[in-house]
Amino acid sequence: DTAVSQTPKYLVTQMGNDKSIKCEQNLGHDTMYWYKQDSKKFLKIMFSYNNKELIINETVPNRFSPKSPDKAHLNLHINSLELGDSAVYFCASSPSGLYTEAFFGQGTRLTVV
Amino acid sequence: SQQGEEDPQALSIQEGENATMNCSYKTSINNLQWYRQNSGRGLVHLILIRSNEREKHSGRLRVTLDTSKKSSSLLITASRAADTASYFCATDHPLKVFGAGTTVTVRA
Repeated sequence: DTAVSQTPKYLVTQMGNDKSIKCEQNLGHDTMYWYKQDSKKFLKIMFSYNNKELIINETVPNRFSPKSPDKAHLNLHINSLELGDSAVYFCASSPSGLYTEAFFGQGTRLTVV
Repeated sequence: SQQGEEDPQALSIQEGENATMNCSYKTSINNLQWYRQNSGRGLVHLILIRSNEREKHSGRLRVTLDTSKKSSSLLITASRAADTASYFCATDHPLKVFGAGTTVTVRA
């Protein structure tokens, strides 16, 4: 069983479209994250949720909206896609507590054309 | 703003050699973690060191932490081809990951 699963793995879409990426974790973790990794491998946190509550929102354009319907899911919806949104998006989860590790999904490669 | 970074950006070594990479950060921390990313995959946790620890070992990995210098190092001993990957450091909860990692290539 995959601990943190994201769908889709690849997403190619045109500029201006709206798309969603889904993430589910079966680890019972309280905290979930979205990261963006650009072409230079720079990995930046976008959002973090703890028990369905937003705790980190790192200067991400309003076109990006996370949704956490329950503790096990954190979806990412992106409106009006732009070329610069092309990247690999990673979902992750971790237990609460200061000394805990995170588990990452396999990533979603988004290409905006 | 970027909270820290890994150094060097890239490292190429012969199988059997040791690989050392560094991480610097800017704010006080509770813990620092190292992750590995194989090409096209997600990050995998390697080791966590608490702010009151100075050194930690896990198999062929050795991590040091110097909170006065706000820096950490990861040493991989007796490297193998399977160690070829990018290595990232990250801190605290919620987890913040730094920089673009150090890309390590182990040549056979």
